[in-house]
Amino acid sequence: NAGVTQTPKFQVLKTGQSMTLQCAQDMNHNSMYWYRQDPGMGLRLIYYSASEGTTDKGEVPNGYNVSRLNKREFSLRLESAAPSQTSVYFCASSERYGTGVNQPQHFGDGTRLSIL
Amino acid sequence: TQLLEQSPQFLSIQEGENLTVYCNSSSVFSSLQWYRQEPGEGPVLLVTVVTGGEVKKLKRLTFQFGDARKDSSLHITAAQPGDTGLYLCAGALDDFNKFYFGSGTKLNVKP
Repeated sequence: NAGVTQTPKFQVLKTGQSMTLQCAQDMNHNSMYWYRQDPGMGLRLIYYSASEGTTDKGEVPNGYNVSRLNKREFSLRLESAAPSQTSVYFCASSERYGTGVNQPQHFGDGTRLSIL
Repeated sequence: TQLLEQSPQFLSIQEGENLTVYCNSSSVFSSLQWYRQEPGEGPVLLVTVVTGGEVKKLKRLTFQFGDARKDSSLHITAAQPGDTGLYLCAGALDDFNKFYFGSGTKLNVKP
């Protein structure tokens, strides 16, 4: 069982380039999330998708766009990469929205992105 | 400023010692989760606490949710080298799908 799969694992970009980070889950989860992790900052939520067809902004959405392609896949796009977006990006998924009890999140192993 | 403040930021102890990690906020959370993360991997859920005052135990790990649901603690008894990692707390406010993470406590247990 793969769980949450992120591609690529590593990427180096030049300032101004664009790229899409891919995420897929095979647990039939409804909700998916994108986070970035920076030293001393923990994880910060960029965007999330409560269910297929919906997306919402998190704490730090500026400079990013997302697409919930289907129930399995949730992609994160950097349209014009900036050095401040150098980070480790994590995708996560959880079962259901609005049950009254927070669901555990299952994380991928991250994409390490460097922007020069 | 972050919604959840964790302390200490770093902790280096000898095998067999006890330790406590704190997660504090001025906000009230609907629930709080603790995760452990190892280098090169994503965080893995350890526990979820939901009720104010709740205590949960996971082998040598004891988790407590504050009465007012604004803070939580993680206590490890007789730490082992296998406990080494980054410990993260995460809380959700009214919107059940938005989680706010603390900055983490990096624990190193020396044999």
